[in-house]
Amino acid sequence: ETGVTQTPRHLVMGMTNKKSLKCEQHLGHNAMYWYKQSAKKPLELMFVYNFKEQTENNSVPSRFSPECPNSSHLFLHLHTLQPEDSALYLCASSQSDSLYGYTFGSGTRLTVV
Amino acid sequence: AQSVAQPEDQVNVAEGNPLTVKCTYSVSGNPYLFWYVQYPNRGLQFLLKYITGDNLVKGSYGFEAEFNKSQTSFHLKKPSALVSDSALYFCAVTEGDDKIIFGKGTRLHILP
Repeated sequence: ETGVTQTPRHLVMGMTNKKSLKCEQHLGHNAMYWYKQSAKKPLELMFVYNFKEQTENNSVPSRFSPECPNSSHLFLHLHTLQPEDSALYLCASSQSDSLYGYTFGSGTRLTVV
Repeated sequence: AQSVAQPEDQVNVAEGNPLTVKCTYSVSGNPYLFWYVQYPNRGLQFLLKYITGDNLVKGSYGFEAEFNKSQTSFHLKKPSALVSDSALYFCAVTEGDDKIIFGKGTRLHILP
């Protein structure tokens, strides 16, 4: 266990479903991140939250909606996804500066059918 | 703007041989450099980092990396490869006050 917990580990959803991914950390970190990892593609940074405030949104489609109620929890709400959204979704956390690196969760393997 | 490059998509090494996974970076100030490893269907795991000090950094599982400022490189090395080292390796860089930038990853295959 890294200290960053993601649930569920696997998720299969239809294109009309609504689901949420959850990420939780109790490392005392102030920043949290969502990444998308697709086969044969580089890691894609989706969202960054710093002290619960969204500081970065990398042109992510609105069918992905993040929520950060506090510094320990991060959600990614999903609705009307497309098959090309199938990927491994990784959550990470860090101190406010990046000096000490990121701690990653194990990811949620999402399949859109 | 900072960037990091991993020139090899895949590296094949025979078990017991030394391995090197290459990484070069570009930053305007002082770099902070990292290596991460990812096993199938898992998140990225921290291997080692260079912040300051000795150019040779030792990390987990017998890996080490050498910071070379003149060549702007931070290659990952291991003297004797194990089959269990087969994984996806990511180099990453930051200037400390900004987010970390990850390379595209290098798949390492250790052949028995």
